[in-house]
Amino acid sequence: DIQMTQSPSSLSASVGDTVTITCRASQSISRYLNWYQQNPGKAPKLLIYGASSLHSGVPSRFSGSGSGTDFTLTINSLQPEDFATYFCQQSSSTVCTFGQGTKLEIK
Amino acid sequence: QVQLVQSGAEVKKPGASVKVSCKASGYTFTRYDLNWVRQATGQGFEWMGWMNPYSGTTGYAQKFQGRVTMTRNTSTSTVYMELSSLRSEDTAVYYCARMDTGTLDVWGQGTTVSVS
Repeated sequence: DIQMTQSPSSLSASVGDTVTITCRASQSISRYLNWYQQNPGKAPKLLIYGASSLHSGVPSRFSGSGSGTDFTLTINSLQPEDFATYFCQQSSSTVCTFGQGTKLEIK
Repeated sequence: QVQLVQSGAEVKKPGASVKVSCKASGYTFTRYDLNWVRQATGQGFEWMGWMNPYSGTTGYAQKFQGRVTMTRNTSTSTVYMELSSLRSEDTAVYYCARMDTGTLDVWGQGTTVSVS
């Protein structure tokens, strides 16, 4: 199975900051990379698909980039509602695999 | 609106089976595969498998082969995931999620399964 490695595992930031989360695949996955946001006790929500396409209704402060094995999720001008956990997921192979998550906390 | 609604929490003994349902609404049920993913407390996600509601075709992660069965009822737009021979390590929140070209774009609210 394709392994997905996210970093950092946790991150502290303030409202208004810009943060970047990275996701690395153990082999090339082209642009078959999605990002999700999860709040405690809730189901994940899709943010970004195909490495850089914004899902409907997701604010434009969220952006994604990358291809092959290295990907990033950037959140500009952090808002209070953005403090959550973020996961990447690859869909290059039949077997979906996920990163371990990055918990974004308020500094 | 498009939504997936799952059945309620379950508590099971080791060795038992659990069957979780996922009812779809707001879209054509047979047009999208449904996947099952689980998340143990404080952990990442583990993909379990998928079902094509139109054909009934399934695909399971190797780890769960022989223990998981996914079925559906097209008249009620419901998919079921049954996991047998439960052990404590199966304690987790189980999610169904609709897959659209590799993207899990709609998720159920999750079902907590506790094995103790």
